[in-house]
Amino acid sequence: EAGVAQSPRYKIIEKRQSVAFWCNPISGHATLYWYQQILGQGPKLLIQFQNNGVVDDSQLPKDRFSAERLKGVDSTLKIQPAKLEDSAVYLCASSFSGLNSPLHFGNGTRLTVT
Amino acid sequence: QQQVKQSPQSLIVQKGGISIINCAYENTAFDYFPWYQQFPGKGPALLIAIRPDVSEKKEGRFTISFNKSAKQFSLHIMDSQPGDSATYFCAARRDGDYKLSFGAGTTVTVRA
Repeated sequence: EAGVAQSPRYKIIEKRQSVAFWCNPISGHATLYWYQQILGQGPKLLIQFQNNGVVDDSQLPKDRFSAERLKGVDSTLKIQPAKLEDSAVYLCASSFSGLNSPLHFGNGTRLTVT
Repeated sequence: QQQVKQSPQSLIVQKGGISIINCAYENTAFDYFPWYQQFPGKGPALLIAIRPDVSEKKEGRFTISFNKSAKQFSLHIMDSQPGDSATYFCAARRDGDYKLSFGAGTTVTVRA
């Protein structure tokens, strides 16, 4: 099966600019996650979708981050405006049903904010 | 706060040796403990997972040992190979919850 697709692979922006990341999950996976992985740390969940709906966005900095999952398939994560501390790898993951289903991660988008 | 504490931060092992990575947790509601392997430029991939009703699970050269009373679990990589060089993350999840809490990761380097 095709894996989780993410684009772009790399992005360099200046602080206060905006950026968007795209994710296409594995076909048939209802649950989609966005994780932030800062260098030297484990992934941290930003937001979780079940089909179209948000299940958990408690750790999403909502003043600057937004995410949507239209039609329950692809998802975009946006940062506006970006801060230096947003430099990280943004990982998208999907799972078949969420509970008890393993997560499949994409290769991530490495964001550098200068 | 970090719900899963992982150590060491990095380790170097000779080919054929044993790599041991330890994790500790506080939340007794955690009931699923996976380990992920991540190569540079790639996303984490599920390696092996355990639930607290067993004390050990083995898959090939990878073994999880689980100590419920001590709230600790560990990953053993037997007969380590250069291809095992990667960063390993432990994680934990509560029953009925989707959210995985990850450790900070251990970078394993296997010297030929």
